[in-house]
Amino acid sequence: DAKTTQPPSMDCAEGRAANLPCNHSTISGNEYVYWYRQIHSQGPQYIIHGLKNNETNEMASLIITEDRKSSTLILPHATLRDTAVYYCIVGETSGSRLTFGEGTQLTVNP
Amino acid sequence: ETGVTQTPRHLVMGMTNKKSLKCEQHLGHNAMYWYKQSAKKPLELMFVYNFKEQTENNSVPSRFSPECPNSSHLFLHLHTLQPEDSALYLCASSSRTPTDTQYFGPGTRLTVL
Repeated sequence: DAKTTQPPSMDCAEGRAANLPCNHSTISGNEYVYWYRQIHSQGPQYIIHGLKNNETNEMASLIITEDRKSSTLILPHATLRDTAVYYCIVGETSGSRLTFGEGTQLTVNP
Repeated sequence: ETGVTQTPRHLVMGMTNKKSLKCEQHLGHNAMYWYKQSAKKPLELMFVYNFKEQTENNSVPSRFSPECPNSSHLFLHLHTLQPEDSALYLCASSSRTPTDTQYFGPGTRLTVL
């Protein structure tokens, strides 16, 4: 599976958009981009995934560059409850190939 | 009850004890997973079960013994653990479609004395 690179930490003001970047320059054509988050001491929570096209759901938007070498997770109006570690993962399918890295610690400040 | 549940939520055990962690999913999924998360470390996949059959064992020591009696239940039997096995143990399930996403339980916080 392709490796991902994320900044270790980011800060965001409450009510503003949080844009979390992820580099995955070795991604192959059949690999998806998945985003999960983990609030302190809880189980990870699925957020969104995509292959080529941008995706949006009730939680977030996922923007994937045309060359698919990077992506950005957007939380349009961050709240204090969005403070968590956000993981960007690439893989052919979820299944057994979810390899979690260090992720980005997002802190939403009042 | 919906989602993925795990019991107990917290467990303290001695190195000579035998205990079991339980996971139950109410999502109709057919794949289940055990992960370990030690302090300040990423999640590590331990075991994968697909339709009750173990399909992956990531070099986990034999003191951890998984059991999957049906697609809804997953156990992790623990015996003669070491203090370094103290961690958050997470269960997850998925439906094994081409883009199946994993749904995680709240975890069991295990402390080995």
